[in-house]
Amino acid sequence: QSALTQPASVSGSPGQSITISCTGTSSDVGNYNYVSWYQQHPGKAPKLLIYDVSNRPSGVPDRFSGSKSGNTASLTISGLQTEDEADYYCNSYTSSSTVVFGGGTKLTVL
Amino acid sequence: EVQLVESGGGLVQPGGSLRLSCEASGFTFSNYWMGWVRQAPGKGLERAASIKEDGSTKAYVDSVKGRFTISRDNAKNSLYLQMNSLRAEDTAVYYCARYGGRARFDAWGQGTLVTVSS
Repeated sequence: QSALTQPASVSGSPGQSITISCTGTSSDVGNYNYVSWYQQHPGKAPKLLIYDVSNRPSGVPDRFSGSKSGNTASLTISGLQTEDEADYYCNSYTSSSTVVFGGGTKLTVL
Repeated sequence: EVQLVESGGGLVQPGGSLRLSCEASGFTFSNYWMGWVRQAPGKGLERAASIKEDGSTKAYVDSVKGRFTISRDNAKNSLYLQMNSLRAEDTAVYYCARYGGRARFDAWGQGTLVTVSS
């Protein structure tokens, strides 16, 4: 199972909006609404941000939103804050009944 | 509060063995799939192994099949990962994670570092 494809890095200024893409295939992202997103600060454990494409766990600000079109899922962060600087990972359920992660995207808040 | 606390990491020589443990609290452990997700230095996340609520079903990434064994003791609220025939490429932080289904790892431990080197 190949990893999902994410851009290596994205950047934005405080207050702006950014979008991180996560591209898979018809065997994972394109076939299931089971995509999650995670935020990981340096030296820390990942934290669940989004599940089932667009749902937020309690406590996650509504600045974070998710969507999907075809084989590509997206995470949008609006009103960027300096504390949003972190690595972001997507994952998806697959037709092999496994879970595959993306390679991760480093967000820099300029 | 959900808590997952890993232990057992360390430095081991290639070909050696190590057993990781994860103690869970704050939720009904026996109601959840659990997994080990690893992260090599400077790299991304990879689900190494996962196990069903009652231990009857286990899944592994291809690279660890036949070498790693995941298990659990619901009476002790504990998850384990027995790692044999370790290779340099197994060097990683290993996270214990609660799997809520549908590709959702909704709780994570702080991680334990495994270093395979001579």
